[in-house]
Amino acid sequence: GAVVSQHPSWVICKSGTSVKIECRSLDFQATTMFWYRQFPKQSLMLMATSNEGSKATYEQGVEKDKFLINHASLTLSTLTVTSAHPEDSSFYICSASTGTGGEQYFGPGTRLTVT
Amino acid sequence: QKEVEQNSGPLSVPEGAIASLNCTYSDRGSQSFFWYRQYSGKSPELIMSIYSNGDKEDGRFTAQLNKASQYVSLLIRDSQPSDSATYLCAFSISGGYNKLIFGAGTRLAVHP
Repeated sequence: GAVVSQHPSWVICKSGTSVKIECRSLDFQATTMFWYRQFPKQSLMLMATSNEGSKATYEQGVEKDKFLINHASLTLSTLTVTSAHPEDSSFYICSASTGTGGEQYFGPGTRLTVT
Repeated sequence: QKEVEQNSGPLSVPEGAIASLNCTYSDRGSQSFFWYRQYSGKSPELIMSIYSNGDKEDGRFTAQLNKASQYVSLLIRDSQPSDSATYLCAFSISGGYNKLIFGAGTRLAVHP
C-alpha cells in the first residue's frame, strides 16, 4: 500500500518552455501533497504544500508564479515549471500524506534538465 | 527555526555489525518522527515511524525516541551492503498540515 507515482520520470526541455509533472497516489486518498526539490548531494528542500481544492502554500523563497501547483483531486497534484531556465534543472519529488500519523510517501521523482 | 540535526557521516560499518544513526530535533511539540532511507539518485523511502517514547522494532530496524531529550535514533542490526544509503530523520511540525522537517541525512556505508 501507500504507492505514489510520478510522471514523467525524466524530462529534458529547452530554456523558456514549461514542463508539467504529475503526482498520483495510487492506492490511497491524499489529503495533502508536497513538492520537494533536491540538488545533487544536497538535502530535500520543501517547495510547497497543497491540499485538495485549495491554493498551495509555498515556502519562503519559492516563486509561486514560476512553480504552479494544482491539486485537483485527492489522488492527483501537478507541478508546472513555467519558463524554465537551466538553474531549474533538479530532481523534483512529490509526496503524499493520508493525514493520519503524518507519514509522507514519496513518488519516484522527476529529473528535469533544462538546456 | 525548526531544525533537525544529523551527523552527515559517512558512517562506515562492517557487514553484520550494528549501525547506529542519531538525530536531534528542535520542536518540543512534535508528536511524530520518521526515518527515511534514500539511495543515491532515488527518492526517499519510509522505513520507520515512531510516536511514543521508547523503542519500536521492525525486522532489523529499531527506532528509539526520547522526547525529553529531543532525540531519536535508528539502529540497524546485521547491517548489509544493501543498507548503504543516506538515512534521513524527520519530524512533523505541530499543527502544520503534516509538514515534515528533514535533516540533511547521514550517509551509511556498509563494507563487506
